[in-house]
Amino acid sequence: KNQVEQSPQSLIILEGKNCTLQCNYTVSPFSNLRWYKQDTGRGPVSLTIMTFSENTKSNGRYTATLDADTKQSSLHITASQLSDSASYICVVSAVSGGSNYKLTFGKGTLLTVNP
Amino acid sequence: DAGVIQSPRHEVTEMGQEVTLRCKPISGHNSLFWYRQTMMRGLELLIYFNNNVPIDDSGMPEDRFSAKMPNASFSTLKIQPSEPRDSAVYFCASSWTGVGEQFFGPGTRLTVL
Repeated sequence: KNQVEQSPQSLIILEGKNCTLQCNYTVSPFSNLRWYKQDTGRGPVSLTIMTFSENTKSNGRYTATLDADTKQSSLHITASQLSDSASYICVVSAVSGGSNYKLTFGKGTLLTVNP
Repeated sequence: DAGVIQSPRHEVTEMGQEVTLRCKPISGHNSLFWYRQTMMRGLELLIYFNNNVPIDDSGMPEDRFSAKMPNASFSTLKIQPSEPRDSAVYFCASSWTGVGEQFFGPGTRLTVL
């Protein structure tokens, strides 16, 4: 069964500190992995999309890594800001025939950045 | 571009009533997705359209739910009859391709009393 597990469920850090969020998956055949940021009361916004051959991808202070062998991904946030407070969702896509695919969602990590 | 547009933003209805949620995808996108989000279950894909054709509706919970995409610029998600357990935030998203980056709308918060 395709599954995506995220850890921790929630995290509280002080402004300016770094943090790392984890995503483990058992999805196959793997197509890509995405990290989304969802602010309270808003729709998710894509941070990164990574394919099988990509190990690292950065978007400003956000850096995602992917280890396709161990089926693990991480999202590292550097020098956190209050605006980083949000839910971070890991989504893994599996090829499902032709151009079709299936998405499997993690339940997200709720990050709170305190001043 | 205005992004993905959803209406209404909030809907409060009574059990048994019909509810219709609307979505206008980003112009030029050929894939459209409907999601449901709750605290308990997180984000769930309900149905996915490609070029206005439903590709995967395995996430639609039951026959009370139906979705249509009559043209490339409009889609509806209908619940009839609605039940309290349908209370959730419903998101619509669109993308250039089925595997590309998805752009989410602001969501419709549905409360069924």
